[in-house]
Amino acid sequence: AQSVSQHNHHVILSEAASLELGCNYSYGGTVNLFWYVQYPGQHLQLLLKYFSGDPLVKGIKGFEAEFIKSKFSFNLRKPSVQWSDTAEYFCAVNPWRGGADGLTFGKGTHLIIQP
Amino acid sequence: DTGVSQDPRHKITKRGQNVTFRCDPISEHNRLYWYRQTLGQGPEFLTYFQNEAQLEKSRLLSDRFSAERPKGSFSTLEIQRTEQGDSAMYLCASSEVGTSGLYEQYFGPGTRLTVT
Repeated sequence: AQSVSQHNHHVILSEAASLELGCNYSYGGTVNLFWYVQYPGQHLQLLLKYFSGDPLVKGIKGFEAEFIKSKFSFNLRKPSVQWSDTAEYFCAVNPWRGGADGLTFGKGTHLIIQP
Repeated sequence: DTGVSQDPRHKITKRGQNVTFRCDPISEHNRLYWYRQTLGQGPEFLTYFQNEAQLEKSRLLSDRFSAERPKGSFSTLEIQRTEQGDSAMYLCASSEVGTSGLYEQYFGPGTRLTVT
């Protein structure tokens, strides 16, 4: 069974700081990779996804993530964070089998941006 | 609002009672998923449907949990004889089948269950 590890459970940054949230997964085959975000009081929303192709993917709100297959990693980055980025961030994976499957999520990273 | 909707948003019940939650997916989506999320954890996959067929149910937490999607539209998740450990957020998600088989899941707001 696959698993997802997010290294930091709580991160506190100041506005304009750069962000990198780590995500590693364990699965021997090809995978689809996702980052979801949950803003306070709101439901989970997709930030970005990787299915295939260019390993550097860009998502909404200036976020990007890089898939490094050799490291089983899919780290999320943003060059300059804003106060509105305060949220819970979840990395998720499912096996690429050309069909539906449930997502395996990490435990999440609670990001707080201080003004 | 054309997103995934769930009802109720909050449910408080006494231990031993049965509860049922409803999920309405995005209308053109034929796949529907249920997850459970406890405090400090990411969502945990429970089961999913393609149209009315339940294609994965081995991850349901116990035989007290069951799900249905009788007409391939809305779905219900039932928990029988609730226990305090069932207290959690229950999330529903839906997706469509892309021609490549690649898809993304859209989540609803969840139903928060508290078992007293």
